[in-house]
Amino acid sequence: QKEVEQNSGPLSVPEGAIASLNCTYSDRVSQSFFWYRQYSGKSPELIMSIYSNGDKEDGRFTAQLNKASQYVSLLIRDSQPSDSATYLCAVRNDKVIFGPGTSLSVIP
Amino acid sequence: KAGVTQTPRYLIKTRGQQVTLSCSPISGHRSVSWYQQTPGQGLQFLFEYFSETQRNKGNFPGRFSGRQFSNSRSEMNVSTLELGDSALYLCASSSTGRNTEAFFGQGTRLTVV
Repeated sequence: QKEVEQNSGPLSVPEGAIASLNCTYSDRVSQSFFWYRQYSGKSPELIMSIYSNGDKEDGRFTAQLNKASQYVSLLIRDSQPSDSATYLCAVRNDKVIFGPGTSLSVIP
Repeated sequence: KAGVTQTPRYLIKTRGQQVTLSCSPISGHRSVSWYQQTPGQGLQFLFEYFSETQRNKGNFPGRFSGRQFSNSRSEMNVSTLELGDSALYLCASSSTGRNTEAFFGQGTRLTVV
């Protein structure tokens, strides 16, 4: 079992829709969770961090964490073509482990 | 506030050579982590340094090594390069490393021919 898994893509959503990105992790003692966005040919850019169960909202982005289910998600409301990128879930226990990423395409 | 700076941006090396990559973290950040990114393997953790000490290490052969200086700048070295070492090498800095957000540099694109 991989340490961090993400729903396989590519994920395509129409402009203005909600994009839902999911991530599961295997190490129960993980304490910190991060979502990064990576455009093609660029380095990852931090979008959100979440440390406690529940929801955390920042603009059009909402991160959700459920430690009991070992599940993290990222919702993007009112998706824009500029949101088209690969989204990486990262989980920290003693080191930061990244998931394989989900490619999102927002169709105008 | 300047971001994470990695040099050089691009490198072409021959098999068997060695290479040194440099990373200057955000001012005040004391933790630097290194990652290798390839299309097939995604982002793989190499090692993390904090206050000049290696705090964690990933599952890479001993040809991959690193160090951190007293000003928190870090270098990684790859000896006896192999074709499979061709990748984007990223470093990320964070203030303390534990439960804090990490910010990436632009990366060094290494091509081994």
